[in-house]
Amino acid sequence: DAKTTQPTSMDCAEGRAANLPCNHSTISGNEYVYWYRQIHSQGPQYIIHGLKNNETNEMASLIITEDRKSSTLILPHATLRDTAVYYCIVRAPLSGTASKLTFGTGTRLQVTL
Amino acid sequence: EAEVAQSPRYKITEKSQAVAFWCDPISGHATLYWYRQILGQGPELLVQFQDESVVDDSQLPKDRFSAERLKGVDSTLKIQPAELGDSAMYLCASSLELAGYNEQFFGPGTRLTVL
Repeated sequence: DAKTTQPTSMDCAEGRAANLPCNHSTISGNEYVYWYRQIHSQGPQYIIHGLKNNETNEMASLIITEDRKSSTLILPHATLRDTAVYYCIVRAPLSGTASKLTFGTGTRLQVTL
Repeated sequence: EAEVAQSPRYKITEKSQAVAFWCDPISGHATLYWYRQILGQGPELLVQFQDESVVDDSQLPKDRFSAERLKGVDSTLKIQPAELGDSAMYLCASSLELAGYNEQFFGPGTRLTVL
């Protein structure tokens, strides 16, 4: 799976949009971009995933650049409950051992009043 | 909403003792994963099951760790003997199928402290 690079930490004011970047310059054509987050003392939670088109669900939007070498997770109106570590993961939709998630250290998002 | 259950939530043990963690995946999920998360790092896969069979245990320290999923439903992860470096969060996750794009659902984890 391709390696990802994320900033160590970010701050965001409550009610504002949080934009979390991720670089994955070695991504392959069949690899998807996944985002998970982990709130303190809980297990990771799936947020969203995409291949090349922008995606949106009830939690967030995922913007993938045209060359697919980077992406941005957008939380449109961040709340204090969005304070968490956000992981960007790239993996191919293959069977067997390739289905595992390879986590990096993620971005620690702190939402403040 | 269905959830992955884990127990215990917290475990404190002394080194050289045996510990065991239990996981009950979401009903119908064929694939089960055990991850270990050291403080300040992301989770790292230890072992992966498809039904009752091990698919990947390449990162499992087999001299002291063992995992089983006898009936292809719930699973147990054991450490014997525990070492100081085993202090970590042990996370269980499940997904509907092994292949494809299925998201993984994580349990709350078991936080192990080895003294």
